[in-house]
Amino acid sequence: QVQLAQSGAEVKKPGSSVKVSCKASGGTFNNFAVIWVRQAPGQGLEWMGRIIPFLRLPTYAQKFQGRVTITADKSATTAYMELSSLRSEDTAVYYCARGTGTINYYMDVWGKGTTVTVSS
Amino acid sequence: DIQMTQSPSTLSASVGDRVSITCRASQSISGWLAWYQQKPGKAPKLLIYKASTLESGVPSRFSGSGSGTEFTLTISSLQPDDFATYYCQQYNTYSPGLTFGGGTKVEIK
Repeated sequence: QVQLAQSGAEVKKPGSSVKVSCKASGGTFNNFAVIWVRQAPGQGLEWMGRIIPFLRLPTYAQKFQGRVTITADKSATTAYMELSSLRSEDTAVYYCARGTGTINYYMDVWGKGTTVTVSS
Repeated sequence: DIQMTQSPSTLSASVGDRVSITCRASQSISGWLAWYQQKPGKAPKLLIYKASTLESGVPSRFSGSGSGTEFTLTISSLQPDDFATYYCQQYNTYSPGLTFGGGTKVEIK
């Protein structure tokens, strides 16, 4: 059974960048997508983007275009999400998840989340 | 972008109750809808995909129905472990974006 391990909590200054990793164990991301979703405190779920590691082809939500970069390594076991020009509103828990589907995806395996706090 | 509207936003119920949550899409998504359960401090958990297919290991008291623009998640007999927040998510096949509903918190009455 695939499990996703995310990197640890981060505290960042406004204007800086953060890079969160998501490593698969017990399998790879081959034939799946890796989806990034965030959740601000007390709020709902928000899709940020995805990558198909096999193709190393990312797609981003319009809201984050230009600020987010999603990558995956050649082994298709680790994906990364980098968010730049951080502001206080980016304080959230960031989740990676395995996307199952063809053209679009639902998420059947989730990481435990990475808390990112943006504060001066 | 496709908007997803969930109702109610909060639902108070008792153990044993039958409860239903509705999710409406701003345009047809056929059956490309998933439901998730989330407990405080935890990642979401997939319950149902393709509107009505139960994920492996999910209790049969959970069921999903609907197609097009209107969908329902039903819990046939609410159990103590079911008090949580539920989200719908569309994953239509004609545009790459995903969108979630705003969530429904199921509380103890």
